[in-house]
Amino acid sequence: EVQLVESGGGLVQPGRSLRLSCAASGFTFDVYAMHWVRQAPGKGLEWVSGISWNSGSIGYADSVRGRFTISRDNAKNSLYLQMNSLRAEDTALYYCAKDRRETFYYGSADYWGQGTLVTVSS
Amino acid sequence: DIQMTQSPSSLSASVGDRVTITCRASQSISSYLNWYQQKPGKAPKLLIYAASSLQSGVPSRFSGSESGTDFTLTISSLQPEDFATYYCQQSYSTPGITFGPGTKVDIK
Repeated sequence: EVQLVESGGGLVQPGRSLRLSCAASGFTFDVYAMHWVRQAPGKGLEWVSGISWNSGSIGYADSVRGRFTISRDNAKNSLYLQMNSLRAEDTALYYCAKDRRETFYYGSADYWGQGTLVTVSS
Repeated sequence: DIQMTQSPSSLSASVGDRVTITCRASQSISSYLNWYQQKPGKAPKLLIYAASSLQSGVPSRFSGSESGTDFTLTISSLQPEDFATYYCQQSYSTPGITFGPGTKVDIK
């Protein structure tokens, strides 16, 4: 059974940093691309970042480029999102999602975690 | 960036109704269009990928089609468990993968 478990969320002040983690199990992690998708309270879905199977291709939404960094450790079956210079508008539930393909572009997310909540507030 | 619009933004329907949701891309995205279902408090679920391919385990009452930059999700006979919010997503434009604003389907 595919499982994705996010962690690392919490309350953080504007301008500070936070690192999210996603522990994957139940599939061959190093074959598939991965995504981070977020959802602000009461709002729709927003794609944040994607990474290919071997980290060779990475992409970010304009809203986070230059502040967030996605990475993966295939040996640990883990995905990460380093979030710097956090803003109030980054407050959201952050989902980790597995792609059906090895690349995040042209793909689709077939499995999702339950999310970790990030609240940016003073 | 490619913009995605959805219509309607919400609809009320009865069990057994045929429901159609439309998603329009601001430019060509080939067939790189996915549909997701999200229920309150739950993670999204992939229904349709590549415009018309049914994800494994998804009931056959769900189908997808395309015509140029217009994409359609159809539920042939609405079931009680289908009341949810539906999102389209384009994965053609990288790095700018984008979701539509969503369509909420509730009970009439």
